[in-house]
This record gives sequence, structure tokens and C-alpha cells, in this order.
Amino acid sequence: GDSVTQMEGPVTLSEEAFLTINCTYTATGYPSLFWYVQYPGEGLQLLLKATKADDKGSNKGFEATYRKETTSFHLEKGSVQVSDSAVYFCALMGGSNYKLTFGKGTLLTVNP
Amino acid sequence: EAGVTQSPTHLIKTRGQQATLRCSPISGHTSVYWYQQALGLGLQFLLWYDEGEERNRGNFPPRFSGRQFPNYSSELNVNALELEDSALYLCASSSSETQYFGPGTRLLVL
Repeated sequence: GDSVTQMEGPVTLSEEAFLTINCTYTATGYPSLFWYVQYPGEGLQLLLKATKADDKGSNKGFEATYRKETTSFHLEKGSVQVSDSAVYFCALMGGSNYKLTFGKGTLLTVNP
Repeated sequence: EAGVTQSPTHLIKTRGQQATLRCSPISGHTSVYWYQQALGLGLQFLLWYDEGEERNRGNFPPRFSGRQFPNYSSELNVNALELEDSALYLCASSSSETQYFGPGTRLLVL
């Protein structure tokens, strides 16, 4: 079945540091890939998505590129802020069942 | 534009009782999804409703059930509550493949 593996962290960075959160997936066919963010006490917010190979999703300075050859969708940001502290989830949607399969989430803490 | 709304925000029940959680989708969205976020288990897909019909179901026992109303809002019912049902229940809606989530209902079973 479909699965998503992401680095579990926690990840602790200083403000303005470079961020990478690794995400790899297993799926049949050509899934769509997503990054969601969950701030403390809140639901999930869509951060970015990519629907086909080599697509790059971007939003709020975050980027991720759909790499079919390495089945990866790593999240990057060049300069993190304290306000980026949250849990980040990588997810895929494969086939026609429209359910999201999530990774376990990565807790990011950014210190001033 | 109003986002996905869920009620109640918190719910406390005792073992064996029933819980009813409610979700209102974004206007124009016909699909509603339910997910469970339990401590240590991550986010797991529960149910998908579209146009009033159950379209897909995750690996959960039959005591988890729900329905979708003509206005596309949805209810999730959990019967015979067990301690391990304590979790954040998230509802999402979509009109395409992108799902937008509500703030969740935190269910505590004592």
C-alpha cells in the first residue's frame, strides 16, 4: 500500500538557518504530493503541493520538488523564522480513492 | 470565504458512550473527509463522503460511522467509546484533490 516516510525530528534551528525536512514515498502510479503544517492547537493548513514529476510547489518561502526518480518530496526553506515553528506533515494522494496518506510529522522549533 | 468548521471544539465522554462530531465544509465543496490524529499513531484516514454517499473507508471498526447531509455538512458518530478513541478528529473538504482542513474536535474518553 501507499506510505510516506519523513524525518521525525524534532528539528531545532536558529532563526535565519536553512531548513530541509526529508520526505520519501511509496505508491503505485503517480500520486500527488503535499506538505501540510500544523501550528500548536490548530488543524492542518496546506503549505504546498505538486501533482506531477518535476513540479515544484512553493509558498511562504517554502519549496519542494516532486522527484519521481528518487520518490522524494523534500521540504526546504532558505531562512526560517520563529513563526515557522510547527509540525510539518508530508502526504500523498494516490489513485482514485482521494484519501491522504500522511507521514508521522516533523516538529520544527526555531529559536530567536 | 469561510473555512471548514467543526463542532464541538472539545468533547469529554466516558467509556461506552456515543460521540457525535459535526463538520461544515467550505461553500461549494461536495466532498468531506474525516481523519483521526491519535497520540503516537499519526494521522489516519477514517471516512470519505461525496454527494451524500460514503465513498471510501479507512481501517476502522464499524462503530465509527457517519453521514453527509443534503447541504454537504457531515456527522461522525463513534459508538461504544473506548479509551483509545481519545484523539483529535479532523474534517476536511474539497472540490478537487486538494483537501482543506478544519480546526478539529478533541475527543477525550475517560
